[in-house]
Amino acid sequence: EDQVTQSPEALRLQEGESSSLNCSYTVSGLRGLFWYRQDPGKGPEFLFTLYSAGEEKEKERLKATLTKKESFLHITAPKPEDSATYLCAVWRETSGSRLTFGEGTQLTVNP
Amino acid sequence: SQTIHQWPATLVQPVGSPLSLECTVEGTSNPNLYWYRQAAGRGLQLLFYSVGIGQISSEVPQNLSASRPQDRQFILSSKKLLLSDSGFYLCAWSWGRGGGNTIYFGEGSWLTVV
Repeated sequence: EDQVTQSPEALRLQEGESSSLNCSYTVSGLRGLFWYRQDPGKGPEFLFTLYSAGEEKEKERLKATLTKKESFLHITAPKPEDSATYLCAVWRETSGSRLTFGEGTQLTVNP
Repeated sequence: SQTIHQWPATLVQPVGSPLSLECTVEGTSNPNLYWYRQAAGRGLQLLFYSVGIGQISSEVPQNLSASRPQDRQFILSSKKLLLSDSGFYLCAWSWGRGGGNTIYFGEGSWLTVV
């Protein structure tokens, strides 16, 4: 059974204090890993897709990386508007169009 | 560009009452459609997905059902709601077959069963 574990569950940062969120997975035949951002009471917003170990993608203050066992979402010099829950999800080839989601990391950035 | 609409945004229903949540996608044809549920502070649980009209796959046994009467319309229903059906329901879509394509979510519907 696919397992996706995100850590920490919650993270509080001061504005400008860089950190990383972790998404570890146990998936046979990983074909893609997705990162989403979710604001309270809203649907998740797509951020990145990573397809192979060693791949990196960046968007503003966010950078996502992927290894064979985990993915990191690095947040550089965060701002209060980066506060949200960050979800990762995995796709394996035999799961069709279905993604398996982690429980998310709730990030709070204080001014 | 593609957009996804989901309604109602919020509803409060008594136990034993019926449910109907609707979702439509604009700007694309033959999308994959999904219903997810998110309990408070938890991750997303896939309930149903559909790759075409009338084709519904159920992921979790429950008293909910889904239907796809038109290419870009997806409906989540229940004949009798339970307290445990409370949660945040999300409709989503993706394009293409074979998987691995980005899933895009609607704004969600908050359901409280009282």
